[in-house]
Parts: sequence; C-alpha cells; structure tokens
Amino acid sequence: EDQVTQSPEALRLQEGESSSLNCSYTVSGLRGLFWYRQDPGKGPEFLFTLYSAGEEKEKERLKATLTKKESFLHITAPKPEDSATYLCAVQGYGGSQGNLIFGKGTKLSVKP
Amino acid sequence: ETGVTQSPTHLIKTRGQQVTLRCSSQSGHNTVSWYQQALGQGPQFIFQYYREEENGRGNFPPRFSGLQFPNYSSELNVNALELDDSALYLCASSLGLAEREQYFGPGTRLTVT
Repeated sequence: EDQVTQSPEALRLQEGESSSLNCSYTVSGLRGLFWYRQDPGKGPEFLFTLYSAGEEKEKERLKATLTKKESFLHITAPKPEDSATYLCAVQGYGGSQGNLIFGKGTKLSVKP
Repeated sequence: ETGVTQSPTHLIKTRGQQVTLRCSSQSGHNTVSWYQQALGQGPQFIFQYYREEENGRGNFPPRFSGLQFPNYSSELNVNALELDDSALYLCASSLGLAEREQYFGPGTRLTVT
C-alpha cells in the first residue's frame, strides 16, 4: 500500500535558524513526489515536483531533494512568513493517476 | 490567468441532509480531482474527472458523487450527511491526465451538526 510519513509533526525555529523536514514514502512505482505549503484554512499551494532520485529543486529559501525512499525540504535562514504546514504527497503508477497520497504534514513556526 | 475557485467558502448542514459543492478549474485545465481534508490530517483523494467522465475513485462510499461539465467545472455531491463528513473539501485541477502537477483551490469548509 502506498504510504507517506512526515516528520517532525511540528517544528519551531528562530528566524534565521536553518533546518530540514523529512518525507518518507513507499509507493509502487513513483510517478512524482510533490511538496505543498498550506496556510490555516486555505488550500495547498504547489511548491515542487520531483520525479527521480538525485533530483533537487530550489525556490527562494526552500530546497527539495529526493532519494529512493525519502525527500527532504531544506529551509535556509527562514523568516516568520515561512510559517505554515508543509505537505508531502506521492503519486504512483498504480491505481488512479489522479490519486495523490498525502502525509499529515509538518507544521512549521518561525519566531522573529 | 484565473486560478481554481470554489464555492461556497463555508457551509453548515444538519446530519442526513444533502450538499453540493462547486469548483471552477484553472484556465485551460480539463482534469479535476476532489479531496477531503479532516482537521490535522492530509487531504484524502475522493475522485477525479477527466472530460466529464470519472477517471478514478478513492475509498469513499457511493453517497459521494460528482459531475464535470463541458466547461470543465465540477460539482461534488454528498447525500445523507454524517457528522464525520465535517471537513475542508478541496478541488484541484491539472492540464490533463498526463500532467502530474495539481493546483488546489481555497476549499469549502463543511460543518455537519
């Protein structure tokens, strides 16, 4: 069964304190791994898609990496506006192509 | 370019009632997926529509049904509402079945009392 586990559940950082969020996954044939940012009461905002092990993508203070079993979202010198829940999702070749399997997310709080 | 829109924003219903939620996909997108997000959980896949046909379904009972219209907008219908149906309902659109990236709307918050 396809599965996604994110850790930690919650992370508190001081402004400027870099850290990483983890996403471990099992999937029968990875079609894509996705990172989203979600603010309270709002829909997820697309950040990155990773397709194969070794791939990396960057956007401002965020960098996503992928291995065969996990993905990391590295946050460099975070600011308070980076506070949000970060969701990881995978899409496999089995079953419906539309089926994104999500983790429960990591709630990030960045204090000034 | 217009993003994904959903209506209504919030809705309160009584157990046993029926509800219809609406979604307009992003301009040029012909594929719509619906997700249910309970508090503190990640979104769960309900079903997907491509060119007005259901293209896949998650582990949800038949009282969850949907439609997609020729302009690619979509509806989610839930009959015989239960308390556990209280959640944020999210619609996501993509350019097509071959496109992997899905873009989400702001969601509809449904409360069942």
